[in-house]
Amino acid sequence: DAGVIQSPRHEVTEMGQEVTLRCKPISGHNSLFWYRQTMMRGLELLIYFNNNVPIDDSGMPEDRFSAKMPNASFSTLKIQPSEPRDSAVYFCASSLRAGAESYGYTFGSGTRLTVV
Amino acid sequence: RKEVEQDPGPFNVPEGATVAFNCTYSNSASQSFFWYRQDCRKEPKLLMSVYSSGNEDGRFTAQLNRASQYISLLIRDSKLSDSATYLCVVNKGDFNKFYFGSGTKLNVKP
Repeated sequence: DAGVIQSPRHEVTEMGQEVTLRCKPISGHNSLFWYRQTMMRGLELLIYFNNNVPIDDSGMPEDRFSAKMPNASFSTLKIQPSEPRDSAVYFCASSLRAGAESYGYTFGSGTRLTVV
Repeated sequence: RKEVEQDPGPFNVPEGATVAFNCTYSNSASQSFFWYRQDCRKEPKLLMSVYSSGNEDGRFTAQLNRASQYISLLIRDSKLSDSATYLCVVNKGDFNKFYFGSGTKLNVKP
């Protein structure tokens, strides 16, 4: 199994530009999560999907952030326009949820975003 | 109040030492608990789940205390390779939505 695959690994962009982060979850996993990690705030849940449907986006910072999951094998997180304070490592994770049973997440390697 | 609180450390211990971390959580309805390990500039990786009866995996032992709402991780016979940040993870309400603590940094010295 290739694990959770994220791209790009690194992204440097200028303030005001659109940024798109991509994620391919583990095949068979039915939940997908986007997290952001900074030194100051640690790991923050931005949004998560269950069976491709957004369940909770209460962590999305503001309207500049949007996420989609058009099918079970692909998700995007878009920031438009980007700002320097968006600089962080963005992780995608997937897991298998079966009824009330909860399993741990598997994380991708992350995208290190720098907005200058 | 944060959902999950951890002592950030760092814990500096010699090789072979036993070290323990605690983590407290705020939601008494939480049902799932995990410890993750994160190496510098890497993604978090699942170390172990935490079960009500406590569980052990080699040198690692995890305990859950529901009455006091804390979980613990004990590492015996520390190795240099154990140096990392250990993240406490708890779900809240929605079984599949997890909250991460800010992590406890462990440095194992020769």
